[in-house]
Amino acid sequence: KNEVEQSPQNLTAQEGEFITINCSYSVGISALHWLQQHPGGGIVSLFMLSSGKKKHGRLIATINIQEKHSSLHITASHPRDSAVYICAVLPRNGGDTGNQFYFGTGTSLTVIP
Amino acid sequence: DAGVIQSPRHEVTEMGQEVTLRCKPISGHDYLFWYRQTMMRGLELLIYFNNNVPIDDSGMPEDRFSAKMPNASFSTLKIQPSEPRDSAVYFCASSPTGGSYGYTFGSGTRLTVV
Repeated sequence: KNEVEQSPQNLTAQEGEFITINCSYSVGISALHWLQQHPGGGIVSLFMLSSGKKKHGRLIATINIQEKHSSLHITASHPRDSAVYICAVLPRNGGDTGNQFYFGTGTSLTVIP
Repeated sequence: DAGVIQSPRHEVTEMGQEVTLRCKPISGHDYLFWYRQTMMRGLELLIYFNNNVPIDDSGMPEDRFSAKMPNASFSTLKIQPSEPRDSAVYFCASSPTGGSYGYTFGSGTRLTVV
């Protein structure tokens, strides 16, 4: 059973398109992170959300706690946005180990020039 | 701050050899996490430390894996003996609070066991 589900798994977009990646989770959470992993392998935390909406440049992340759903939006997409985007939730009770994130399997985004 | 620093970036070793991965967390971060990432299982938590003390190592796959944090600025993950199925990317992350904010990953160590 996956506590975190992401969709789509793979996404190809033309440069300039508006992109949405979705994350649904099944547990009560205290925080949700959106992570970005570039082809080189490094992982960067883009956003940490516990409610509402956050914006950073062309990236927007929203969360609906009641519906247990979060979205990551990319406006005016660019080839450099090509990466894997991972949703990670921190359960309210800390998860199995007391401080464990549950991870989605990631969405692989390719933006074509 | 230089962020979370991991070394080496790449490691290729023969089955049966000992492998040691290193991590330097961000100064002031009290929590340190070791993760393994594979295509099949995604990101998995192996172990985490709070104030240099291992809090939970239930994610460590077996006794061949061990992790230490001798001081606040250094941690190691050791595999002895290594096996081909240990091939993965190993990430270290640190946080000042345990995950609610300030969570920072290192660049990872890509381990290949042949």
